[in-house]
Amino acid sequence: KQEVTQIPAALSVPEGENLVLNCSFTDSAIYNLQWFRQDPGKGLTSLLLIQSSQREQTSGRLNASLDKSSGRSTLYIAASQPGDSATYLCAVKDNQGGKLIFGQGTELSVKP
Amino acid sequence: NAGVTQTPKFRILKIGQSMTLQCAQDMNHNYMYWYRQDPGMGLKLIYYSVGAGITDKGEVPNGYNVSRSTTEDFPLRLELAAPSQTSVYFCASTQWAGDNEQFFGPGTRLTVL
Repeated sequence: KQEVTQIPAALSVPEGENLVLNCSFTDSAIYNLQWFRQDPGKGLTSLLLIQSSQREQTSGRLNASLDKSSGRSTLYIAASQPGDSATYLCAVKDNQGGKLIFGQGTELSVKP
Repeated sequence: NAGVTQTPKFRILKIGQSMTLQCAQDMNHNYMYWYRQDPGMGLKLIYYSVGAGITDKGEVPNGYNVSRSTTEDFPLRLELAAPSQTSVYFCASTQWAGDNEQFFGPGTRLTVL
């Protein structure tokens, strides 16, 4: 059974720092991995999607990497801003029915 | 395109009441999903559908029912609401089960008292 784990559960950093969020998964048979942002009481915003054949994806200050063989992904946020404060979720798409398996999320707080 | 829409946005139910959460998509997607998110947790799959007339259970299906009579709609039914079903419910859709993106609705926040 696929399991997705995110470390740390919470992270607080001062503005301007570069930071890394971690996601690990137990079964490498995935179609893709997706990173989401969720603001308190809100829905999911898709940030980056990495196909199983890709190693990384970039969007602005965000860079996500994928190492399928080791079951790991990282989300790198450069020059963090208070507006980046949110919960970040990673999810892998399994190859049976295309279901997404989610981690528990990392709650990020960026202090001014 | 409206994408994935969900109604209602909020609902309070009493224990034992029933309700239907509505989900619709206008992207002609074959696959649709219902997830629930408990406080401080990730999302867990309740039910999914690979096309009209076909549904299957996810990780946490107990207490829920679904139907898929059209490609566009995928309602989720709670028959006898229990406090354990207090959660935020998200509907999602995708064209096929391969390496493409899944699109999410805005969610329905349900409280059972």
